[in-house]
Amino acid sequence: KNEVEQSPQNLTAQEGEFITINCSYSVGISALHWLQQHPGGGIVSLFMLSSGKKKHGRLIATINIQEKHSSLHITASHPRDSAVYICAVRSWETSGSRLTFGEGTQLTVNP
Amino acid sequence: DGGITQSPKYLFRKEGQNVTLSCEQNLNHDAMYWYRQDPGQGLRLIYYSQIVNDFQKGDIAEGYSVSREKKESFPLTVTSAQKNPTAFYLCASSDLDSPYGYTFGSGTRLTVV
Repeated sequence: KNEVEQSPQNLTAQEGEFITINCSYSVGISALHWLQQHPGGGIVSLFMLSSGKKKHGRLIATINIQEKHSSLHITASHPRDSAVYICAVRSWETSGSRLTFGEGTQLTVNP
Repeated sequence: DGGITQSPKYLFRKEGQNVTLSCEQNLNHDAMYWYRQDPGQGLRLIYYSQIVNDFQKGDIAEGYSVSREKKESFPLTVTSAQKNPTAFYLCASSDLDSPYGYTFGSGTRLTVV
């Protein structure tokens, strides 16, 4: 079983819809990261969080440490949001600042 | 603007040849990482370096080598001992006091024929 599990694997939405991507993890963590990977392959960091909730524009990330679960929400989705969204955790059980990654959620937003 | 530069974006090599992927950062980050991405799989750690002149093996280090002679540079060599080198390679650096923690490069897609 992977230490970081994401759901769904694939998600198709219509423009304007509210989107939720989920991430569950099985290790103790010092932080959780949400990343965005566009078709060209480069990755952009969206959020780093260790508790509560963060918001940036139309993106909202929440984390529940007790339940070992995080969600990424996109409000008023747009075709330019189409990308792979990756959850990654920094565990205090491993050395240094290395990350463990989920397999990603492929999001497609249709106009 | 500060960031990470990976070059080249696409690289083709013949089987049996060593190849070196470049990664340069001007963020003044101490830690740097190399990840490999295969279709349908999460990123896997090849090597990481917390400080100049020091590096550690990640989960899939076999067939790879690195050096960290300068803070801003962390080149990865894919050797002929790597059995399945065709993949997408991403370099990253981190400063855990920054808002996002990690910065990633745009990647190098290596194809071995």
